[in-house]
Amino acid sequence: GENVEQHPSTLSVQEGDSAVIKCTYSDSASNYFPWYKQELGKGPQLIIDIRSNVGEKKDQRIAVTLNKTAKHFSLHITETQPEDSAVYFCAAAIREYKLSFGAGTTVTVRA
Amino acid sequence: DAGVTQSPTHLIKTRGQQVTLRCSPISGHKSVSWYQQVLGQGPQFIFQYYEKEERGRGNFPDRFSARQFPNYSSELNVNALLLGDSALYLCASSLWGEGNQPQHFGDGTRLSIL
Repeated sequence: GENVEQHPSTLSVQEGDSAVIKCTYSDSASNYFPWYKQELGKGPQLIIDIRSNVGEKKDQRIAVTLNKTAKHFSLHITETQPEDSAVYFCAAAIREYKLSFGAGTTVTVRA
Repeated sequence: DAGVTQSPTHLIKTRGQQVTLRCSPISGHKSVSWYQQVLGQGPQFIFQYYEKEERGRGNFPDRFSARQFPNYSSELNVNALLLGDSALYLCASSLWGEGNQPQHFGDGTRLSIL
């Protein structure tokens, strides 16, 4: 099955700086790559997703890049704010309903 | 509009007992998936149901079962509970089970086994 590795496991950034989280996946048939944000006591919230026919996607301060040849994808958060502090998960899927998640990155934005 | 709703929010059981968790998808969504999230890890896929039929199953024992009702709500059942079943159980819904349909998660049911 699909195996997703995520780095780093923790990330501390100064408010206003950028944060980058990287993931690799094993199954070259994967074609859907969502990112979720999970706050304490809440379920994962979809923040952005990308499909295999697209190399980059941006939504305001959040962007995701995909390199299918190298089988890795990344999340970029610019101008970080305290409310960006949360656990972020990458995932990969061949079919959208069967997501394989990374282990998560705990992001702390220092004011 | 209401998101994915799950009940109960918390549950405490003892080893060997059975538990039923409930999920109501977003209005209009016909597909429901279940995930198990152990503390400090990412969610793991358990089941997907679409139009009341099981479409996919993860690497979980037969003690785990689920079903989907005509109104697209779903129940997850776990029999003969083990200490290792302690986790956050998440339900996710999407419009349908095929095509490019993102999954939206509920806030989960926290299950503790004593």
